[in-house]
Amino acid sequence: AQRVTQPEKLLSVFKGAPVELKCNYSYSGSPELFWYVQYSRQRLQLLLRHISRESIKGFTADLNKGETSFHLKKPFAQEEDSAMYYCALSDSGTYKYIFGTGTRLKVLA
Amino acid sequence: NAGVTQTPKFQVLKTGQSMTLQCAQDMNHEYMSWYRQDPGMGLRLIHYSVGAGITDQGEVPNGYNVSRSTTEDFPLRLLSAAPSQTSVYFCASSRLAGGPDTQYFGPGTRLTVL
Repeated sequence: AQRVTQPEKLLSVFKGAPVELKCNYSYSGSPELFWYVQYSRQRLQLLLRHISRESIKGFTADLNKGETSFHLKKPFAQEEDSAMYYCALSDSGTYKYIFGTGTRLKVLA
Repeated sequence: NAGVTQTPKFQVLKTGQSMTLQCAQDMNHEYMSWYRQDPGMGLRLIHYSVGAGITDQGEVPNGYNVSRSTTEDFPLRLLSAAPSQTSVYFCASSRLAGGPDTQYFGPGTRLTVL
């Protein structure tokens, strides 16, 4: 079955340190993968998607089909990056959109 | 554009009561979906729709009904509320590009069932 796994519930880093939020998926086919972010008291919003290969707010994510991973990275964390991050997969076969369990990122001063 | 709107923002129900959570979008998106967000569980798909008149079950459909009579609206009905349905509910919409594309979310409804 299609699945998205985010192994870390909470990740705490100091300001200026590198950040890596892990995401692994299982999908039989070419996946469409996304990262969403939910800041405090705001609605969920798209951070980036693998097909656009953009860098948003300094974050990047590379699709590794061999390791079935789509980890989110940022070289230097900022306090305003503190939020809940969700990895998601769009299944073009079933039309289901599957989210991971999320990782809460806390950036400490 | 208002985007995706949800009403109400907060609701308290007693066990056994029924209610409808409203969701509307003004982006002419074909795809609409409902999720519940619980601590440690992430977002779980309840029901989804790929167009007016077409709905299907997600991961956790039991106790919920949906209908899609128009492109814009996708209400979620709780038939007989239970404490296990205490959660935050999000509606989302997207265009279809092969599969569902970038999801645009509503602000959420916080539901408590006593």
